[in-house]
This record gives sequence, C-alpha cells and structure tokens, in this order.
Amino acid sequence: AQKVTQAQTEISVVEKEDVTLDCVYETRDTTYYLFWYKQPPSGELVFLIRRNSFDEQNEISGRYSWNFQKSTSSFNFTITASQVVDSAVYFCALSEVDSNYQLIWGAGTKLIIKP
Amino acid sequence: GAVVSQHPSRVICKSGTSVKIECRSLDFQATTMFWYRQFPKQSLMLMATSNEGSKATYEQGVEKDKFLINHASLTLSTLTVTSAHPEDSSFYICSAREFGGGEEQFFGPGTRLTVL
Repeated sequence: AQKVTQAQTEISVVEKEDVTLDCVYETRDTTYYLFWYKQPPSGELVFLIRRNSFDEQNEISGRYSWNFQKSTSSFNFTITASQVVDSAVYFCALSEVDSNYQLIWGAGTKLIIKP
Repeated sequence: GAVVSQHPSRVICKSGTSVKIECRSLDFQATTMFWYRQFPKQSLMLMATSNEGSKATYEQGVEKDKFLINHASLTLSTLTVTSAHPEDSSFYICSAREFGGGEEQFFGPGTRLTVL
C-alpha cells in the first residue's frame, strides 16, 4: 500500500544552520509524483516542488534543494542557511497514476528556526 | 498560476447549526475538487472527492449526511457541515484539479471552523 513517512516530528535549529527534512515513501506504482508543501501558521499550503518518478535529478531553488533517490525511496528536502521565515510545518506527499492522483500525505515535520 | 479561493476564511457558529463553505476555482475549470480536514498538529485527511455534475465519493469513516458536498459547476464546490458540533471544529481545505490536469492540485487557503 502507498505510504509517506516523515519520521521527524519536530526539528529546531538556530538561524543560518542547514537543515534536512526526511521523506520516505512506499508505492507499487511505476509512475508517481512526489511533492513538498510548506504550511506556515496562517494555514495556507504553499507548493514547493513536484517531482515525477522518472526524473531523479536533484533540484535546487535558491536556499532549497531536494534529493530524490529511488533506490532508497526517499525525497529529502534541505534548507541551506535557514531563516526565521522558514519556520513552518512541511509536508511531503505522494500521488500515483493508479490511484487517480489522490494525494497521500506524510505526517508533517514542524521546523522551528530560532534567531 | 491557478487560483483557488475559499469562503469564509473563518467561521464561528453555535452547536446545532449548519455551515456552508465555498471553494471556487478562479481562473480555470475544475472537473475535480477535493475536501480535506486538518486537526491541530496533524496532517491533512481527505474527506471526499467531488466531480462536477456527479455525487461525491466519500472516504471511509466520513459521514455523507453530515458533510454534504455539492459540485454543481466547473468552478464551484460547496461543503456543508450539517448540525455542527464542537468536535467538527477543524481546518477545512479544498483543492481543485483542472480537466486533464493529471497530478496537479491547487489548494485553497482553508477555512477555520469553530463550533461553540
């Protein structure tokens, strides 16, 4: 069955430190998509990235980077030089073609960046 | 980019009343809309999937008579919480998928419901 695991419930770091949020997924589908969303205290979900199962290239966007490794079924998210504004809950999610792209959500990781 | 709005953003109601939440796709036609519920410090839980012009498909454990979903047009879906009780207090989020949009869902800003 499909599943997304975010083992880190909460991470607290001091500003300017690098931090990596882990995401491990399970799927039987060969075509699937992985997502990361940010949810600040306001509650509105902010889309960060979508990656399909055929594209294992790592992605970098400013201070954000993502490491997709099919061999370990992981899609980890790293924030470099963290800032207080990065404080939020981050969700990893999976959608599969065979499930009509229904999103399967991880439990979320609460990230606290201390000044 | 595609925009989804929700109204109201926040609602407080008395126990026993019904509350309607609207979800609109502003610049695209949404053939499919999803309704999620999120309790404090928890992840999103899919409540139901609605396709325009047909009955919603509810997830296991979600009472269809309690949470009425209507998707009468390609830009509007509504969720009505009937006879609300304090345990229905939650953050409700909708998302919409465009026809042929595949895996992409666009999320509304959410509605915070508090039942007194």
